[in-house]
Amino acid sequence: DVKVTQSSRYLVKRTGEKVFLECVQDMDHENMFWYRQDPGLGLRLIYFSYDVKMKEKGDIPEGYSVSREKKERFSLILESASTNQTSMYLCATGRQVVNYGYTFGSGTRLTVV
Amino acid sequence: AQRVTQPEKLLSVFKGAPVELKCNYSYSGSPELFWYVQYSRQRLQLLLRHISRESIKGFTADLNKGETSFHLKKPFAQEEDSAMYYCALSGRTDKLIFGTGTRLQVFP
Repeated sequence: DVKVTQSSRYLVKRTGEKVFLECVQDMDHENMFWYRQDPGLGLRLIYFSYDVKMKEKGDIPEGYSVSREKKERFSLILESASTNQTSMYLCATGRQVVNYGYTFGSGTRLTVV
Repeated sequence: AQRVTQPEKLLSVFKGAPVELKCNYSYSGSPELFWYVQYSRQRLQLLLRHISRESIKGFTADLNKGETSFHLKKPFAQEEDSAMYYCALSGRTDKLIFGTGTRLQVFP
């Protein structure tokens, strides 16, 4: 079973703080993704990575950055947290997504106050 | 542009009734389509894939290229089917584009 682990289930941060969300997978998948999940808006892609040190912007990258120094770890960084970044953040991994889809982590619910 | 539309935010049915969750897509090539499900307090998980033409937990989905649809169907809903359902599309890349989701409520 692929395991995708997100380091925190719940986080509360103050406006302006720098926030790190970590995602680790143990199945050697090349592709990793960060989405945010909001009611009525579904899942929106923030950033993704096809390989170590590679990153590409998704549909809503503003206010976020990412880091992928090792194949198994993909970090999402909120440079200066704002209240409109309060959301559920989901990490996903995949190989040959067309055939097999993604495996998701359990999510991190971030509240920015 | 790639897009997935799920027109219903909420679908409520009684146990034993048929269920159809609608999904329409916009894509210029040949898409691969998926349905994902999220049960209460659980992670999002793959329910079924268009490419495999499978039936999972009694659910099926047929790709209709003429209508650009991939509706999810089940003939007899169960209470345990209550969940959030997302339709997703993959084009030429390994990215998935998701719809806004439909919450299915099955009443006893």
